[in-house]
This record gives sequence, C-alpha cells and structure tokens, in this order.
Amino acid sequence: DGGITQSPKYLFRKEGQNVTLSCEQNLNHDAMYWYRQDPGQGLRLIYYSQIVNDFQKGDIAEGYSVSREKKESFPLTVTSAQKNPTAFYLCASRALGSQETQYFGPGTRLLVL
Amino acid sequence: GESVGLHLPTLSVQEGDNSIINCAYSNSASDYFIWYKQESGKGPQFIIDIRSNMDKRQGQRVTVLLNKTVKHLSLQIAATQPGDSAVYFCAEKGEGGTSYGKLTFGQGTILTVHP
Repeated sequence: DGGITQSPKYLFRKEGQNVTLSCEQNLNHDAMYWYRQDPGQGLRLIYYSQIVNDFQKGDIAEGYSVSREKKESFPLTVTSAQKNPTAFYLCASRALGSQETQYFGPGTRLLVL
Repeated sequence: GESVGLHLPTLSVQEGDNSIINCAYSNSASDYFIWYKQESGKGPQFIIDIRSNMDKRQGQRVTVLLNKTVKHLSLQIAATQPGDSAVYFCAEKGEGGTSYGKLTFGQGTILTVHP
C-alpha cells in the first residue's frame, strides 16, 4: 500500500515541550515538504528537502526544525520556541524532474495543553 | 508578493448540478497550477493539474480552465455529488528551477452539495 503516512493523528504538547511529528513515504520521491494549516486558511510552507541530508527553510520556519537522514523520512520537530503551535500539520512529497504534483499525507493535528 | 485567491469562499449546489469554483492568481510567470480537494480532518487530495501552455484539461467529471490573459483558473465539476462536498484549493507554482517546486495556495472554497 503505497503513499505517505503521518503519525500520530493527534498530538498534545505541554508548555516548553518539544514534540516530533513523523512523516514517511514509500513513493521513492526525492522532495518532501512540511506545511502548516490554520483554520480557514491556506497552507504555509515550513521546511522542504529535495535530497537526503539537505533541507531549506520555507516561509514560516521559526520555531521548527527538521532532519532528512533517509529518503523516505522527513520528521518535523515543533520546538518550545514556537509560541503558537496549535495547527494542522501536513507533509507532502514529490518526484523531482518534470513531475510537479505534490502528494499529501493525512495530517497531524497538534494541540497545546 | 505572489498571491493566489478565490472569488467565493462558499458554494452551495444541489446534487446533480454542475459546480464552478474560481481562483485568481497574481504571478503571471507561474507555469503550473493544481486543484486539491480537502475533506474535513484529512490531507489535500490531488484532483487535476494544468500547465501554462494549455488552457483546458479534462479529467473524470472535472475540467480545469486556465485564462492567462486575466490570470484566472477555474474548476468545473459535472453532476456534483454529496461526496464532492469539501474544501477546494487552487495552488500555483512559480516558473523556473529556483522555485524548488514551491506551491502557493489559495484560501480555499467550501463546496456544499445538498441531496
């Protein structure tokens, strides 16, 4: 069953705590992306990676960190520096080259206790 | 800066009607456009895409029209069904390799289909 998986579906964060959201894909895609979605708004890019061991900041990277140690995995850490972390987080992947379409995972909803 | 916006935030239709969802974009250099469908609590699902060298593309029950003169994109859904109820997003990709595949998303239109 190919695709993009995200876990957990719901995540609760306490004040001052770092939490990590998982994103895995078995599509053999090179590029992976993390987006944040707030209610009634479009998606905003947090970080992206086009190749293993390389990643770049998106439009709203402050308070977040990522790693890309494996092609199929792109975890996102929401650090304590992110003061407003409550949102729906979406991971996407894309095959490089002529393929432009990004395919999304099911999302993780992060809530602050 | 670049922006992608929608004319109507909500659209209500009767089952069986045709639906048209509109999107305006501001970057005339964008070379690729996508429509996504997002159901509540789920990730966006790819519907259809179109490159800037085309003005129309058809899929199963869906058609995307691109008018580069007025920078307008539309999604037409034929014989709309209750299962089509969702938020629909348009997104554009800027021209060139330096854009790293970045998509700029619109705010979304809520489509509600009444039985």
